Amino acid sequence: RKEVEQDPGPFNVPEGATVAFNCTYSNSASQSFFWYRQDCRKEPKLLMSVYSSGNEDGRFTAQLNRASQYISLLIRDSKLSDSATYLCVVNAYGGSQGNLIFGKGTKLSVKP
Amino acid sequence: NAGVTQTPKFQVLKTGQSMTLQCAQDMNHNSMYWYRQDPGMGLRLIYYSASEGTTDKGEVPNGYNVSRLNKREFSLRLESAAPSQTSVYFCASSYRTKGDQPQHFGDGTRLSIL
Repeated sequence: RKEVEQDPGPFNVPEGATVAFNCTYSNSASQSFFWYRQDCRKEPKLLMSVYSSGNEDGRFTAQLNRASQYISLLIRDSKLSDSATYLCVVNAYGGSQGNLIFGKGTKLSVKP
Repeated sequence: NAGVTQTPKFQVLKTGQSMTLQCAQDMNHNSMYWYRQDPGMGLRLIYYSASEGTTDKGEVPNGYNVSRLNKREFSLRLESAAPSQTSVYFCASSYRTKGDQPQHFGDGTRLSIL
């Protein structure tokens, strides 16, 4: 099982739609979780941290299910500017992974 | 408000040439990282430095060397470039490597090796 798995997409949605991305992780000891956003040919940027109780930042909601080792990101009222690749990121202990493991990303395309 | 600065932004090399990618951060972070990103592969960690004076291998260290020059600067060197090293390279920094802090990225170096 890969350490962080995401559906690569692309997810093609109309403006105003609600879209959800899922991510699973393999290390049950992981304690920190993040969603990053990466625009085409740009660097990854932190979108939001994911907290155990779930958290919301405007139109974005992140959820964590530790039992199922599953993280989700919900985007409501999608905007054209939300078009990007969304990376699920999980911390790791030891090994050669440094301190964060990045998923390969889910591509979102919001159409007019 | 520079954050993480990488130079150069673009570079074309011939096979066998050497070069150094520079990275500097002004956020007083202790930890710094070098990643490469290839299509379909996601971000892969090359080397990291948990703190000034220490460096450790990541997932794909072969063909690279690093130097943590001081707290602010972390350089990546390709001694003898190979076409397989054509990639986008990102430097990142964080407060520490414990994993509870997000990493902040520079805007990347696009490297092509012919």
